Amino acid sequence: QSALTQPRSVSGSPGQSVTISCTGTSSDVGGYNYVSWYQQHPGKAPKLMIYDVSKRPSGVPDRFSGSKSGNTASLTISGLQAEDESDYYCCSYAGSYIRVFGGGTKLTVL
Amino acid sequence: QVQLVQSGAEVKKPGASVNVSCKASGYTFTSYYMHWVRQAPGQGLEWMGVINPSGGSTTYAQKFQGRVAMTRDTSTSTVYMELSSLRSEDTAVYYCARVATGTYYFDYWGQGILVTVSS
Repeated sequence: QSALTQPRSVSGSPGQSVTISCTGTSSDVGGYNYVSWYQQHPGKAPKLMIYDVSKRPSGVPDRFSGSKSGNTASLTISGLQAEDESDYYCCSYAGSYIRVFGGGTKLTVL
Repeated sequence: QVQLVQSGAEVKKPGASVNVSCKASGYTFTSYYMHWVRQAPGQGLEWMGVINPSGGSTTYAQKFQGRVAMTRDTSTSTVYMELSSLRSEDTAVYYCARVATGTYYFDYWGQGILVTVSS
């Protein structure tokens, strides 16, 4: 049950697109289409942004999208806005009710 | 509306145990699994385990097995998480988060409880 691998930080200018990767193994990310992404602002609880690899909950802007290839999932944020600056975490199902999180990525909007 | 309301902050000494609660409202308690996730200061999210409020079955992360116990009280729609043999590294914010049966994502989170372990 090792943590998924995310870049520690990414950055982009307003209006640009950024992609955050999340690499696991065939026992988690690669084995199930159950990757979710969470946004967390300082001092706040995480907020669901993407579920089941690429589905968006109601209320989440369509600027947020998700995908997966092999053992790596990705979150892409297009048309960056200042309010997107936050920490982002991926999470994968790993079988038998187990979940594993990524280490988190700090997104800076320049 | 859905609410997960957690108990207040705790300060414990090394070696002690802590028992924190998460009271659910606004939905059918037994239709959603409840997970516990913690976050040490300045660190990432860490999954601890899950309880099925319907039958009480649990699954714990290997790291916490033997030291964690999750229980529930269906009469009050409350889940509890007890962590024993506390050490300084257990200082963290502890969140409860629900997952609907048949789904695999956390759709609602509690506000978090800061547990501080210090001598």
